[in-house]
Amino acid sequence: EVQLVESGGGLVQPGGSLRLSCAASGFTFSNYWMHWVRQVPGKGLVWVSRINSDGSSTSYADSVKGRFTISRDNAKNTLFLQLNSLRAEDTAVYYCARVLSSSSGYSPLGYWGQGTLVTVSS
Amino acid sequence: EIVLTQSPGTLSLSPGERATLSCRASQSVSSSYLAWYQQKPGQAPRLLIYGASSRATGIPDRFSGSGSGTDFTLTISRLEPEDLAVYYCQQYGSSPPLFTFGPGTKVDIK
Repeated sequence: EVQLVESGGGLVQPGGSLRLSCAASGFTFSNYWMHWVRQVPGKGLVWVSRINSDGSSTSYADSVKGRFTISRDNAKNTLFLQLNSLRAEDTAVYYCARVLSSSSGYSPLGYWGQGTLVTVSS
Repeated sequence: EIVLTQSPGTLSLSPGERATLSCRASQSVSSSYLAWYQQKPGQAPRLLIYGASSRATGIPDRFSGSGSGTDFTLTISRLEPEDLAVYYCQQYGSSPPLFTFGPGTKVDIK
């Protein structure tokens, strides 16, 4: 069974940093592109970032480019999102998600974690 | 960048009724790289439909997707109480790789 478990969320001051983790199990992690998606409570889904299967290619939403960094450790089956220079508007639940198909990076998000809440406030 | 618009914003229907949800893209979505997700209250999203019309594993056949180019539709043929959720469309085929979501349609069950 595919499982994705996020951790690392919490309360941080504006300008601060946080590192989110997503522990994957139940599948061959190194075969799949992975994504981060965030959601302000009560609002819609917003795509944040994605990384290809070997970590050599990444993409970001304009709103986080230059501040967030996605990475992965395939030996430890873990996805990361480093959040720097945090702003109040980054407050959201952050979901990690696995693409449905291993054969293409252009694949929908077939599996999701339960999310971790990041609150940016003084 | 492709922008997705969903309508209506909220749909209030009775059990057994048919729900028709629309997703319109500002540019053509290549190769029907259009997905639909369901998010029930307090839960993570779940993939319903991909490739515009293919049901994901375990999704009941009362859910169906159609469309191409810039206009896509999610149809729930006979609403059940557990279909109370927000439904999002997403495109995942643009270049550079951006994976934009629509704003969502909330389905209320009367």
